[in-house]
Amino acid sequence: AQRVTQPEKLLSVFKGAPVELKCNYSYSGSPELFWYVQYSRQRLQLLLRHISRESIKGFTADLNKGETSFHLKKPFAQEEDSAMYYCALSGQDTDKLIFGTGTRLQVFP
Amino acid sequence: ETGVTQSPTHLIKTRGQQVTLRCSSQSGHNTVSWYQQALGQGPQFIFQYYREEENGRGNFPPRFSGLQFPNYSSELNVNALELDDSALYLCASSFRGGEYGYTFGSGTRLTVV
Repeated sequence: AQRVTQPEKLLSVFKGAPVELKCNYSYSGSPELFWYVQYSRQRLQLLLRHISRESIKGFTADLNKGETSFHLKKPFAQEEDSAMYYCALSGQDTDKLIFGTGTRLQVFP
Repeated sequence: ETGVTQSPTHLIKTRGQQVTLRCSSQSGHNTVSWYQQALGQGPQFIFQYYREEENGRGNFPPRFSGLQFPNYSSELNVNALELDDSALYLCASSFRGGEYGYTFGSGTRLTVV
């Protein structure tokens, strides 16, 4: 079955602390993995995708096929990182996105 | 460049009624997808339209239907509304393939009473 699991509903850290938002997936094949972010009162927007191997706003994510994970990391959290984060995948034979349930990141000053 | 716009932003309907939600895709995008997001959940894929034809469907009953127009805008129609249809409905556009990501609209909040 195709599934994305984000085990944490809420992650709270202090400013400057490292952050890791966990994402595990189940997919038979080679999926494309994404992280989407939704800031307060804003629409869902793409943060990064694994195929580009880029760093956006200091966030990185590495696809680990052995562990079927795509965890989102940032070495030093900022208050403006507070948002809802969704991990998502799409498959080679479909463009639909399968989302996890999301993790709310709270960064305290 | 314009983003994805959805209308209306909020809607209240009575159980059993029908509703039509509208979406204008981002300039240059030819594919539109619809998602349902219930409270506390991630978006769930309803269906996708490409070149005015349905191109993939999620686990939603036939009373959820859609259209895509030549200008790539789209409609989502839901017949015989049920209380569980209350959710945020998101439209997302992309260029065919989706590997560059999707651009989402702000959504339509549907409440069924």
